[in-house]
Amino acid sequence: KAGVTQTPRYLIKTRGQQVTLSCSPISGHRSVSWYQQTPGQGLQFLFEYFSETQRNKGNFPGRFSGRQFSNSRSEMNVSTLELGDSALYLCASSLGWRADTQYFGPGTRLTVL
Amino acid sequence: DAKTTQPPSMDCAEGRAANLPCNHSTISGNEYVYWYRQIHSQGPQYIIHGLKNNETNEMASLIITEDRKSSTLILPHATLRDTAVYYCIVRVLQGSARQLTFGSGTQLTVLP
Repeated sequence: KAGVTQTPRYLIKTRGQQVTLSCSPISGHRSVSWYQQTPGQGLQFLFEYFSETQRNKGNFPGRFSGRQFSNSRSEMNVSTLELGDSALYLCASSLGWRADTQYFGPGTRLTVL
Repeated sequence: DAKTTQPPSMDCAEGRAANLPCNHSTISGNEYVYWYRQIHSQGPQYIIHGLKNNETNEMASLIITEDRKSSTLILPHATLRDTAVYYCIVRVLQGSARQLTFGSGTQLTVLP
């Protein structure tokens, strides 16, 4: 079974631009979570989606948003990029709301110049 | 906030068992202990999890103390490819707080 896939793997943007990252969960998984990883803050939870609904949200500004489609694929969007948004963005999928293990994708490395 | 305490770094000789400790003294009755590892710049890899009983899979063993306030991840025969940051996480499975909260982890270096 294929793992979690994320596209693109690498991205370079400039301040003020916006970016959309994509995540395809493991087949059959319906829950998708997003995390941001930076050297200074470590791995931090952004949000979780299940059945196209945001179920849980971390402590990030409104510039960070996401959505989930009916096929469980998810996208996250960051508007008005700042230098501090440079990070590895990780997507994790799990079977469902009552399920347990989250499996991570390889991440998207975003660099903001 | 992370609710676990791990040593920042450990070394282990190749072929020997690596024992990674984790303290979670404030763990609640409905919280599971999870272990993930992350090799540099890759996504975290799930290793094992448990609630009360010791668990074993093809990658590792998890030993949880009877009072559940600490646990140990055991890699029975460490290889160079096991060099990674190992994260011990406690989490509930239902409700609004079911996300993974990562601490600083333990950098395990397997030495040849």
